[in-house]
Amino acid sequence: ETGVTQTPRHLVMGMTNKKSLKCEQHLGHNAMYWYKQSAKKPLELMFVYNFKEQTENNSVPSRFSPECPNSSHLFLHLHTLQPEDSALYLCASSQDRGTVGDNEKLFFGSGTQLSVL
Amino acid sequence: QKEVEQNSGPLSVPEGAIASLNCTYSDRGSQSFFWYRQYSGKSPELIMFIYSNGDKEDGRFTAQLNKASQYVSLLIRDSQPSDSATYLCAVNWASGDKIIFGKGTRLHILP
Repeated sequence: ETGVTQTPRHLVMGMTNKKSLKCEQHLGHNAMYWYKQSAKKPLELMFVYNFKEQTENNSVPSRFSPECPNSSHLFLHLHTLQPEDSALYLCASSQDRGTVGDNEKLFFGSGTQLSVL
Repeated sequence: QKEVEQNSGPLSVPEGAIASLNCTYSDRGSQSFFWYRQYSGKSPELIMFIYSNGDKEDGRFTAQLNKASQYVSLLIRDSQPSDSATYLCAVNWASGDKIIFGKGTRLHILP
């Protein structure tokens, strides 16, 4: 148990559906992240929030919409996705961002395996 | 172009031998280097991190960093079947203040 909880674990959705992924961290961290993991590709950073403020949007299509109501919760709202968006979506947290050292260590949730039909 | 390169493998190592995993990176300004282990169907888990040139040992794991040559490696001594996993190298990208991952190396420990 890493202290980062993601729901749901699996999600199947049609291209016209709207769904949301949820992440909660119990570590008292200040930074939260969304990563996408596709087969045979490196982990891709999507969004970063530091103290609830979005500090990074890594050229992610607008059909992915993040929300961070507080430092412990992070959502990823999905709408009109494409089949190529099928992947494992990982939430992570770290103590801080922008500092070199132990505070950069990432703690990952179990991920949501998303299939878009 | 920000790049973290790893041999995708699979790397097959007999049980009890030393497994050596390598990673190169292109940003000379990078300062922090991490190794994550990911079992099939699971999320990545941090196993080692290193910030200074040289070796850092933790149990059966040793991380080695050479900033001049821009490579970082992970040695696993006395390899066990439970070490079979994908090992992800991650680098703090100094110019963009983000952590970039390599594609990972699949390690298979042969019983």
